[in-house]
Amino acid sequence: SQTIHQWPATLVQPVGSPLSLECTVEGTSNPNLYWYRQAAGRGLQLLFYSVGIGQISSEVPQNLSASRPQDRQFILSSKKLLLSDSGFYLCAWSPLYNEQFFGPGTRLTVL
Amino acid sequence: GQSLEQPSEVTAVEGAIVQINCTYQTSGFYGLSWYQQHDGGAPTFLSYNALDGLEETGRFSSFLSRSDSYGYLLLQELQMKDSASYFCAVRESASKIIFGSGTRLSIRP
Repeated sequence: SQTIHQWPATLVQPVGSPLSLECTVEGTSNPNLYWYRQAAGRGLQLLFYSVGIGQISSEVPQNLSASRPQDRQFILSSKKLLLSDSGFYLCAWSPLYNEQFFGPGTRLTVL
Repeated sequence: GQSLEQPSEVTAVEGAIVQINCTYQTSGFYGLSWYQQHDGGAPTFLSYNALDGLEETGRFSSFLSRSDSYGYLLLQELQMKDSASYFCAVRESASKIIFGSGTRLSIRP
């Protein structure tokens, strides 16, 4: 069966510090991978998605970036965090044309 | 631009039926999905409609009208555990999926 891992579960970072969130998927190959951000009580904002190694589509121009160095690994990064980067970060994978499966999420607080 | 509209809040009584609507305007359309999210948790998949009509899965049903750019999620025999946020999502291309702002469902005994 397929599983998706995200870490860390919670993170508190100062403004201006770097960020690296990692997501890995097991039990499937060549999945579509996604990063979403959710502000408290709000919807899911699509940040990045990837259809293969090294292939990244960016939806929102901001100080975040994503990389996919391996087939089942998706990394979200920032060189300098802003207060507005606080939120619940969700990684998801999807077989083609089917539903998405979400990881447990990382709750990021930028102080 | 792209938009998915759904009511922000809905309140219903335990045992009743509730319908959550979603209208969308997107550059492409492959299908409409529904997800449930409990407070503090990750979204979980409920249903997917690629073609017009009604899909039924237990107490939950989902409907799609592509000509009207409209769909809804129908929850029957409401239980207290159904209190959660519900999101519609459009698969805009083979790989791009965007979400609505969510509907918070509160259920009263």
